[in-house]
Amino acid sequence: GAVVSQHPSWVICKSGTSVKIECRSLDFQATTMFWYRQFPKQSLMLMATSNEGSKATYEQGVEKDKFLINHASLTLSTLTVTSAHPEDSSFYICSANSGGEVETQYFGPGTRLLVL
Amino acid sequence: GQNIDQPTEMTATEGAIVQINCTYQTSGFNGLFWYQQHAGEAPTFLSYNVLDGLEEKGRFSSFLSRSKGYSYLLLKELQMKDSASYLCAPMDSNYQLIWGAGTKLIIKP
Repeated sequence: GAVVSQHPSWVICKSGTSVKIECRSLDFQATTMFWYRQFPKQSLMLMATSNEGSKATYEQGVEKDKFLINHASLTLSTLTVTSAHPEDSSFYICSANSGGEVETQYFGPGTRLLVL
Repeated sequence: GQNIDQPTEMTATEGAIVQINCTYQTSGFNGLFWYQQHAGEAPTFLSYNVLDGLEEKGRFSSFLSRSKGYSYLLLKELQMKDSASYLCAPMDSNYQLIWGAGTKLIIKP
């Protein structure tokens, strides 16, 4: 149980294009999903918390107009990197709260983005 | 402020036991998670402690002392596949996980 999928796993795109990443909880409903970014050899950095049916809460320093988050259903959240630039190249990982007595975050496999 | 302190890197031998320590300071506390992250992959959940004491789960055990702001992850019968980073992540009063850089564990034959 508690499986989270992400698609795509790899993206290579030209500078200026927009990239959409999907995060799905496969066998549970997630009212809350999280989007992280991780640069090589650095810690996970929380970008935003996404609640189903409401606007995402962004962390300080994360541009909400650049990183668009939509949590349309209890099993799907999407992150769109708009007008991507080389500095946006990173490992993007989503996680979903399992709910229940202990709200454990289960992570998707991550999406590696390379902007040329 | 909130912070986590773990050793950056540890080395151990296959078949041995290793203990990865973590001290933390958070605004409020709602438990502590340990995750394993292999290079190039996303973290996977290992354990959760909210009460003081030791939680055992197979080869892995996790300990918590809330009064000391201290936890450790104990790995027994080490296998080569245990080579990974181990992330200690306390949960603060807002139920948000606080992440450090983790401990990179290198297992040698």
